[in-house]
Amino acid sequence: DTGVSQNPRHKITKRGQNVTFRCDPISEHNRLYWYRQTLGQGPEFLTYFQNEAQLEKSRLLSDRFSAERPKGSFSTLEIQRTEQGDSAMYLCASSPGGRVVSPLHFGNGTRLTVT
Amino acid sequence: GDSVTQMEGPVTLSEEAFLTINCTYTATGYPSLFWYVQYPGEGLQLLLKATKADDKGSNKGFEATYRKETTSFHLEKGSVQVSDSAVYFCALGNQGGKLIFGQGTELSVKP
Repeated sequence: DTGVSQNPRHKITKRGQNVTFRCDPISEHNRLYWYRQTLGQGPEFLTYFQNEAQLEKSRLLSDRFSAERPKGSFSTLEIQRTEQGDSAMYLCASSPGGRVVSPLHFGNGTRLTVT
Repeated sequence: GDSVTQMEGPVTLSEEAFLTINCTYTATGYPSLFWYVQYPGEGLQLLLKATKADDKGSNKGFEATYRKETTSFHLEKGSVQVSDSAVYFCALGNQGGKLIFGQGTELSVKP
């Protein structure tokens, strides 16, 4: 179990630029989740995948955000035309899935700063 | 919709003091409940969980009991240590397996 891996750890970008983050889940986990966390707040759900299918997207996820999980392995989260309000920690998590609600295993996150 | 409310922090305690962090929830159905911990500079880690009413989750001296009648899942520890200083998050999990988190409670333990 190598854990959930996220890259990059930090990203600084200028407003209006596009950014892409990558998440590699625990290899046997079917479900993959994206969350956003701002200072002093708990993680907010953005979207999740069961294998390669994106099953739910939060209303928080504007049309500038897109996530993919080709082949049901790693996932990418892209933010187009970044805004200063997008500055946050972006967290990825994975779980085995199934009928029982399993704990999520989180990566260390990608910290985005939009200047 | 489903939601989690935690007591506001920061909570500052002396070493060996008793800790309680309150957590209440609103949910449809029968959610699973979790406590996660985030140590400075680290990612979120599962601390304990409970999957049904009256279950008690425990780990590293921390305990929490799933109380359906009061919709609560309060975190307790009998004697805190400096190394317990962290941010603690209560969360519920329902259909789809996604977790909904509270806003977090920062704990600072002084020697």
